[in-house]
Amino acid sequence: NAGVTQTPKFQVLKTGQSMTLQCAQDMNHNSMYWYRQDPGMGLRLIYYSASEGTTDKGEVPNGYNVSRLNKREFSLRLESAAPSQTSVYFCASSETAGGSKNIQYFGAGTRLSVL
Amino acid sequence: RKEVEQDPGPFNVPEGATVAFNCTYSNSASQSFFWYRQDCRKEPKLLMSVYSSGNEDGRFTAQLNRASQYISLLIRDSKLSDSATYLCVVGGTTDSWGKLQFGAGTQVVVTP
Repeated sequence: NAGVTQTPKFQVLKTGQSMTLQCAQDMNHNSMYWYRQDPGMGLRLIYYSASEGTTDKGEVPNGYNVSRLNKREFSLRLESAAPSQTSVYFCASSETAGGSKNIQYFGAGTRLSVL
Repeated sequence: RKEVEQDPGPFNVPEGATVAFNCTYSNSASQSFFWYRQDCRKEPKLLMSVYSSGNEDGRFTAQLNRASQYISLLIRDSKLSDSATYLCVVGGTTDSWGKLQFGAGTQVVVTP
């Protein structure tokens, strides 16, 4: 009954450090997403993967890279962390990338602070 | 202009009362509409999809007005457990199929 699992739950980085946020889903969903959530703002899409083997930029992709490792896993990498990347990061998945099956299910989030 | 706009609130509601709030969206080509609920520091969870004819799920009623480009959520007989932030979510245009736009949320606080 896991759904979408994200690791780590919390992370503190120094400016310039790199890290990878991991996400895995066990619902056999085709589409996966990475969002960031900042105070007073809606979730903003960083990158998404409509299906295994494809990735596309979202609204705020700068400073991030992604890898759709297989159907289950979608990772987000910060190559050189900046204080502006302090945020809460959510991974989500959906059965497909469109239509009524685009109901997205979210992981518990990663709270990242960049000092 | 934000694509999805919500009144941030908070809406302070006595237990047992009714509360309603709206969300406006800018893209008239949007095809899918949802309300998600987010508890403090937790992940968003789907509350309900919103259909053209309006729909009800227990104490929750959602309406869609395409002409005026807004959706609404009404909560009847509010419970303390309804305290949360409600996110309006819109998506499914032909040029952004799959991408959802999230509002910043409306905070509801139900008081005893």
